[in-house]
Amino acid sequence: KQEVTQIPAALSVPEGENLVLNCSFTDSAIYNLQWFRQDPGKGLTSLLLIQSSQREQTSGRLNASLDKSSGRSTLYIAASQPGDSATYLCAVKAAGNKLTFGGGTRVLVKP
Amino acid sequence: ETGVTQTPRHLVMGMTNKKSLKCEQHLGHNAMYWYKQSAKKPLELMFVYNFKEQTENNSVPSRFSPECPNSSHLFLHLHTLQPEDSALYLCASSQATRQEYNEQFFGPGTRLTVL
Repeated sequence: KQEVTQIPAALSVPEGENLVLNCSFTDSAIYNLQWFRQDPGKGLTSLLLIQSSQREQTSGRLNASLDKSSGRSTLYIAASQPGDSATYLCAVKAAGNKLTFGGGTRVLVKP
Repeated sequence: ETGVTQTPRHLVMGMTNKKSLKCEQHLGHNAMYWYKQSAKKPLELMFVYNFKEQTENNSVPSRFSPECPNSSHLFLHLHTLQPEDSALYLCASSQATRQEYNEQFFGPGTRLTVL
């Protein structure tokens, strides 16, 4: 059974610092990995999707890497801003077309 | 606002009530999903519909009854719920799940409180 873990569960940084969010998964037989952002009480916004054949994806200040063999992905957010405060979720898509989610990392960027 | 809408956004119901959640997607997708997000637990997949046919039921109790009349609409009918069913219910859509690499797009969710 696929398990996805996100560490740390919460993170607080001063504005301008780079953010590093970690995601690990137990079964490396995945099709893709998606990073989402969730604001309090709201739905999920897709940030980046990395296919299993890719090693990284970039969008603006966001960069996500994927090491399938070791079951890890890292989301980097450069030069953090207070507007980046949210919960960040990673999810892997594996056999059966299910998305399995991690518990999320709650990020607070202090002005 | 995304291409996936959900109504109502908030719902409070008693344990004996019957209510329905609605999801509509405007993205031309053929697969739709219901997820449950409880406090302090990871998001859990509940149901998957592919071209209007249910292809996944993740051991969900029968007090939750999904309906997918067409590829653009998805309902979740609720009856005799328990307080522990209080959660954020999220709908998502994607291209048909036979294409394993497709991205899922989520709606804003319905915050359900069962008294």
